[in-house]
Order: sequence, then structure tokens, then C-alpha cells
Amino acid sequence: EVQLVESGGGLVQPGRSMKLSCAASGFTFSNYGMAWVRQAPKKGLEWVAYISYDGGSTYYRDPVKGRFTISRDNAKSTLYLQMDSLRSEDTATYYCTTGAPFDYWGQGVMVTVSS
Amino acid sequence: DVVLTQTPVSLSVTLGDQASISCRSSQSLEYSDGYTYLEWYLQKPGQSPQLLIYGVSNRFSGVPDRFIGSGSGTDFTLKISRVEPEDLGVYYCFQATHDPWTFGGGTKLELK
Repeated sequence: EVQLVESGGGLVQPGRSMKLSCAASGFTFSNYGMAWVRQAPKKGLEWVAYISYDGGSTYYRDPVKGRFTISRDNAKSTLYLQMDSLRSEDTATYYCTTGAPFDYWGQGVMVTVSS
Repeated sequence: DVVLTQTPVSLSVTLGDQASISCRSSQSLEYSDGYTYLEWYLQKPGQSPQLLIYGVSNRFSGVPDRFIGSGSGTDFTLKISRVEPEDLGVYYCFQATHDPWTFGGGTKLELK
């Protein structure tokens, strides 16, 4: 059974950093591109970042370019999202997904950026 | 950025009815390789989204055949024949043809 389990969320002040992790199991992690998708409270879905199966290619939406870094450790079957210079508009539930397409999703982790 | 416009925003149905959701793109979603990276997702209340359809019309593993995706270019449709209680929630179309990848605004399917 495919499982994606996110961790690392919580409350953080504007301008500070936070790192999300996603532990994967039930499939060959190193064969899959992976992505992060977020959802602000009561809002729709927004793609954030994508990383290729080997980590050789990464893509970001413009508002997070230069502030967020997606990475992976295939030996640990773990995906990461380093988020720096956080803003209030980054407040959302962050989902780890296999992708693309986004076949499988984690349960999500809440990130609240507030003073 | 490619804008995906979903209509209607909300849809009230009776169980057993057919439901139809439209997704219109501001640009053609056919990629240079001939593939159209248009997908449909369903987010049930309190749950993570789940993949229903990829490549316009291909059902993901385990998705019932009452879900039918169609369309080309800029106009796409998701039809649900014989709506069942587990089909209720918010449906999103999504495109991965153009950077940045974008979702539609969502269509909420609820009971009349």
C-alpha cells in the first residue's frame, strides 16, 4: 500500500524558515517524480514545486522561487520542502504527492505563518 | 499563466442523476509531444484530493467507469453518470502542459 506521511508543520513567524518532510513507502520511491501541492484555508489547490525521480530537475511556481527548495533522499525514500522567508500567504495545508499526474497524496500538514 | 475556468462553481444533484463539469483553458493544453496533460481530481470533505482522470480521458486505477473525461484543445468535460453518495465533494481540473502547472477553481458537487 502506498503511503505518504508529511511532517514538520506548525506555527512560524513571518520571515522565518521551516522544513517539511514526506516519508514514502509502498512503492519504489526512486522511480517517481514527486511534488508539493498546497491549499490555503477554505481555498482551492495550488501546485508549489516538483522534483524529478533523480533530483536532477526541479520546478517551482513563481511566488516561491528563490524562497522554497524541494529536494529528496532516495536512500531514505523521503521528500523535503525547505521554506525560507515565509510569508502570511504561505499559510496552507501542504500535501506531498507522487507526480505528475498526482497519483497518490499524503494526509497533508498545516503550516501557519503568523506573528 | 494558464487559467482553467471551471463551470459551474457548484452543482446540486439528486442521487442517480448525471452531472457534468466543464473546464475551459486559456491556452491549448496539447503539448508538443501530442499528449494533453489534463487531469481531474476529487477532494471529498475532510480528505486529501484523489486522482480520477489523467490524460483527458484515462481513469486512474480503481476509479469507477461512471466517471468519463473528454475534450481537447481548450475545452474539457468530466461527466459522472448515476451520481452516488461517495461522489460528493469538490472537483478540480489541472493542467501540467504549461509552466506553471495550474488547477481550476473547483466545482462543488452536493445533494439537492
